[in-house]
Amino acid sequence: KQEVTQIPAALSVPEGENLVLNCSFTDSAIYNLQWFRQDPGKGLTSLLLIQSSQREQTSGRLNASLDKSSGRSTLYIAASQPGDSATYLCAMRDANAGKSTFGDGTTLTVKP
Amino acid sequence: EADIYQTPRYLVIGTGKKITLECSQTMGHDKMYWYQQDPGMELHLIHYSYGVNSTEKGDLSSESTVSRIRTEHFPLTLESARPSHTSQYLCASRTGGGGELFFGEGSRLTVL
Repeated sequence: KQEVTQIPAALSVPEGENLVLNCSFTDSAIYNLQWFRQDPGKGLTSLLLIQSSQREQTSGRLNASLDKSSGRSTLYIAASQPGDSATYLCAMRDANAGKSTFGDGTTLTVKP
Repeated sequence: EADIYQTPRYLVIGTGKKITLECSQTMGHDKMYWYQQDPGMELHLIHYSYGVNSTEKGDLSSESTVSRIRTEHFPLTLESARPSHTSQYLCASRTGGGGELFFGEGSRLTVL
């Protein structure tokens, strides 16, 4: 069974700092990996999608990388802002079952 | 931006009532999903559909049922709600090809 782990579970940083969130998965037969943001009591907002053939994707201050051989993905947030405070989840879609498995998330707090 | 809508956003009902949570998407996606998420906890897949008249149970056992009579509509029904059903229910749909997953805002259900 696919397992997705996110470290750290919580992170608090001062405004302006660059930071990295980690996501690891156990099955290398990956179809794609997607990063989401979730605000309290809300649904998930898609941030970045990396296909298995890609190594990274960028959107504004966000950059996500994928290393299939090591079973890892990272989400890099540059120049963090208080508005970035949220829970960030990664989801791995495996090539076989076609369903996505979610990590537990990293709760980020950016202090002004 | 994804066009996937859930109603109601919040629902408080008594034990034994029948409830239906609505989910609609205007993107023509074949694949749709229902996830259950308790506060601060991970997402669990409870139902999914790969097209009209196709429904499957997810990884987490649920007493709810779903139907898929039209492509754009994927309602979830609880015949007799119980306090243990109190949770947030998130609906999602997936694009063809690249397979990006989009979520609705969620329906927060409280059963007294």
